[in-house]
Amino acid sequence: KAGVTQTPRYLIKTRGQQVTLSCSPISGHRSVSWYQQTPGQGLQFLFEYFSETQRNKGNFPGRFSGRQFSNSRSEMNVSTLELGDSALYLCASSLQSRGYGYTFGSGTRLTVV
Amino acid sequence: GIQVEQSPPDLILQEGANSTLRCNFSDSVNNLQWFHQNPWGQLINLFYIPSGTKQNGRLSATTVATERYSLLYISSSQTTDSGVYFCAVENYGGATNKLIFGTGTLLAVQP
Repeated sequence: KAGVTQTPRYLIKTRGQQVTLSCSPISGHRSVSWYQQTPGQGLQFLFEYFSETQRNKGNFPGRFSGRQFSNSRSEMNVSTLELGDSALYLCASSLQSRGYGYTFGSGTRLTVV
Repeated sequence: GIQVEQSPPDLILQEGANSTLRCNFSDSVNNLQWFHQNPWGQLINLFYIPSGTKQNGRLSATTVATERYSLLYISSSQTTDSGVYFCAVENYGGATNKLIFGTGTLLAVQP
C-alpha cells in the first residue's frame, strides 16, 4: 500500500514569489494535515482538511493557504514568500478513526533566498 | 493548549547500549505517537500508544495516561537508531484534529 507522497522534495524560491506544494494521502484516508518544521519553532500545525473542507487552521498568516480535492489530494500554497518561510513542510494523512494515528510523507524542503 | 515536554534533549550512546526517552504531557490525550525523524526529514511512525505497552523488535513504549507520561525504550542501540525522536499528542475533545509535538530528543549512537 503506497504511503503519503509529497512533491516536490526540494524547492528553492526567491523572496516575493509564491509556491505550491502537493500531498497525496494514503488510499482511503480522507484527512490531510500540514505541518511546518523549522529549527527555531519546531513542528507546528498549519491546517487540516477533511472531505475537501478545511476543519482546522493553525496560527499562520493568510499567506499560507491550502485546499483538498475530491480524490483527497491536497495542496498548500504560500504567497509572497519571506526568508522565514524556509522550512521543511510535512504532510500527514489519517483515517480519522480512533485506533489509528497519522502517517507522514517525506516532506518538501523549501528554501527561500 | 496541551504542553508536551521531552527529555533528555540530547543523548549520546555507544552501540549496544540501552536508553529510555521520556514524554510528559499536561492534559489528558486520546492519541499519542512516537516518531523517529530520519536524516532526510521523514517522520517514521514508531508507535501509536495512547495507553498501555507495545513492543516492536528492539523498541518498546509505555504510556501511563493517568500520570500523563510516556516512555520509549531502545535496547541494543545501533548507529541507524540515530536521529530525532518526537512524541506527539492529540486531544479529540478539543476538536482540533491536530498533533502537538514535543521538542524532540536528539539521539546519537556511536560505533
